[in-house]
Amino acid sequence: AQSVAQPEDQVNVAEGNPLTVKCTYSVSGNPYLFWYVQYPNRGLQFLLKYITGDNLVKGSYGFEAEFNKSQTSFHLKKPSALVSDSALYFCAVRGTGGSYIPTFGRGTSLIVHP
Amino acid sequence: DSGVTQTPKHLITATGQRVTLRCSPRSGDLSVYWYQQSLDQGLQFLIQYYNGEERAKGNILERFSAQQFPDLHSELNLSSLELGDSALYFCASSVGTSPEQFFGPGTRLTVL
Repeated sequence: AQSVAQPEDQVNVAEGNPLTVKCTYSVSGNPYLFWYVQYPNRGLQFLLKYITGDNLVKGSYGFEAEFNKSQTSFHLKKPSALVSDSALYFCAVRGTGGSYIPTFGRGTSLIVHP
Repeated sequence: DSGVTQTPKHLITATGQRVTLRCSPRSGDLSVYWYQQSLDQGLQFLIQYYNGEERAKGNILERFSAQQFPDLHSELNLSSLELGDSALYFCASSVGTSPEQFFGPGTRLTVL
């Protein structure tokens, strides 16, 4: 079975400071990893994915994520947070075999203070 | 805009009723996925269709059913509705079994 943990329900950061949203996963075999963002009253928007290759993945809106196989983590990062980054962030994992259905974490609410 | 459309945007109904939610995937996407998002359960996968056939089933109740039509749009039918069915229902689509999914704006269902 595959699973995702987002240990923080909420992350608070000041505008201009770096942000990190944490994600750890469990999956059989090699993982496909994703980050999605959900703004209020909107659907989930794809931010970035890790399939293979470079452990540092760059995505939309200046976000990046680092894949760490030994720690089974895929933390989302941004060097300088914007107030407009405030939203709900979901990490998801899918194995490379078997089920094609990703498992989503429960989400982390990011609040960026002016 | 992801290219995935869902109707209606909002739906208010009473317990015991039946509703149908509609989803049109992105042009060219053969896979459609349905998810339920609630505050206490998070984002739960319900069911997937690929080119008209059911491909995977998740935590979908027997009172719920879905289908995908020849034009690839999909409908999620919810019957004998209960208060606990109140949630956001999302549809997503992908190219085949590609890992990347594109989500629609959702249908907010309120059961009174």
